[in-house]
Amino acid sequence: QKEVEQDPGPLSVPEGAIVSLNCTYSNSAFQYFMWYRQYSRKGPELLMYTYSSGNKEDGRFTAQVDKSSKYISLFIRDSQPSDSATYLCAMNNAGNNRKLIWGLGTSLAVNP
Amino acid sequence: DSGVTQTPKHLITATGQRVTLRCSPRSGDLSVYWYQQSLDQGLQFLIQYYNGEERAKGNILERFSAQQFPDLHSELNLSSLELGDSALYFCASSVAGSGGGELFFGEGSRLTVL
Repeated sequence: QKEVEQDPGPLSVPEGAIVSLNCTYSNSAFQYFMWYRQYSRKGPELLMYTYSSGNKEDGRFTAQVDKSSKYISLFIRDSQPSDSATYLCAMNNAGNNRKLIWGLGTSLAVNP
Repeated sequence: DSGVTQTPKHLITATGQRVTLRCSPRSGDLSVYWYQQSLDQGLQFLIQYYNGEERAKGNILERFSAQQFPDLHSELNLSSLELGDSALYFCASSVAGSGGGELFFGEGSRLTVL
C-alpha cells in the first residue's frame, strides 16, 4: 500500500462546477500538506500549502485537511477550462522538501 | 515561467547509452532537486544538492549520478540506460537547504530509451 493514495481520474466536469479532489494517507505523523498543479508538458507548480488540520482558502481554491481521517481535499469553485490540469498532493512530517511523499495525481478536464 | 531551465526538453537514445540532463535553478535559489516522474510511480525524489554539496539521496540508482557546479547549475548523468529509465526528469529549486518552502519546477526533460 502506498503512503499516499490519490485517484488518478480522469475527472471531467462542466465549466462552473465545483470540483473536489482528494488524497488519503497512512502516516499519522504527516503535518505539512501541499497541492501542486501540473499542466500538460509543464512542471508542477505550488497551488496550496497547509500546515496541520483545518481549511485554507485562496480565491476559488480551498484546501482542507482532516488529520483524524487522514484525508485531504482540494475544492475548486466555479471551475474554468484553464483549471484543466493534473493535481498532485504532497505531504510530509518534517516540512522538508526532500522528504515529500507525492500522490500520483488526478487528471481534471473542465469542459466549456 | 518558474525561472528554472532544463535542457534538453526531449531526448531519445538506446539502451546502454549515457545521457546528461542540465538544470539552471531560479536566480538566488541554492537548492536543486532532481525528480523522476512516471505514470505508475508518480514523482520520485532522486537527489538534492545545496550550494554545491550533496544534501540528500532518495531513490537514485547507482547508474545515476549528479553534481552541482559553483555557478549552481546542476547536471544529472544517467548511464547504462535501460528501457525502464524512460520517464520525465524534473529539476526543482528552492531557496532553503534543509527546510521546506516552495519548490519551483522546470518543464522537465523527457527521456525515451529504445
